[in-house]
Amino acid sequence: EAGVVQSPRYKIIEKKQPVAFWCNPISGHNTLYWYLQNLGQGPELLIRYENEEAVDDSQLPKDRFSAERLKGVDSTLKIQPAELGDSAVYLCASSLTPGTDTQYFGPGTRLTVL
Amino acid sequence: GQSLEQPSEVTAVEGAIVQINCTYQTSGFYGLSWYQQHDGGAPTFLSYNALDGLEETGRFSSFLSRSDSYGYLLLQELQMKDSASYFCAVRSGYSGAGSYQLTFGKGTKLSVIP
Repeated sequence: EAGVVQSPRYKIIEKKQPVAFWCNPISGHNTLYWYLQNLGQGPELLIRYENEEAVDDSQLPKDRFSAERLKGVDSTLKIQPAELGDSAVYLCASSLTPGTDTQYFGPGTRLTVL
Repeated sequence: GQSLEQPSEVTAVEGAIVQINCTYQTSGFYGLSWYQQHDGGAPTFLSYNALDGLEETGRFSSFLSRSDSYGYLLLQELQMKDSASYFCAVRSGYSGAGSYQLTFGKGTKLSVIP
């Protein structure tokens, strides 16, 4: 069974540029999460989807961050414009149901903003 | 809000036993999870405790005391490959599919030495 797929694995951009990350969850997993992980810290939830619906986006900085999951499968997270402080690893995770205790994480996208 | 405390670093000898503690403060507590993350890798699920007591999975065990808001991860027969960061994560919220969240601690970096 394929795991959570993310691309790109690494991205380097100049500040004020836009950037997008893509995630394909495990087949059949209805719940999808985007996390941000700073160096030496734990993952912090940005947004959670149940199928196509964003059910928790309270931690998403909506002035520059946006996300979509149009067909309830893969998802895209966008930052526009990027700031120096956005340098971090962006993790995508999925789970079978919202009530399950196990989230399966992708390898993440390491973003560097110069 | 939620807060979790765990040691930032632990060093142990190969073949030994190590315990990583986690204390938490939260409302609407459901349970405590543990995740392992190797440098540059994805967090992977280790265990989940919803009830008080000890859960054993091979060399790893996890304990929860709900009354003390405390849990720990116990790693036995340490191997070099166990060198990684270990995160406790609190599942909290209220009844209903759309209203729970998983909050991660800052992680404990375990170094296993020969």
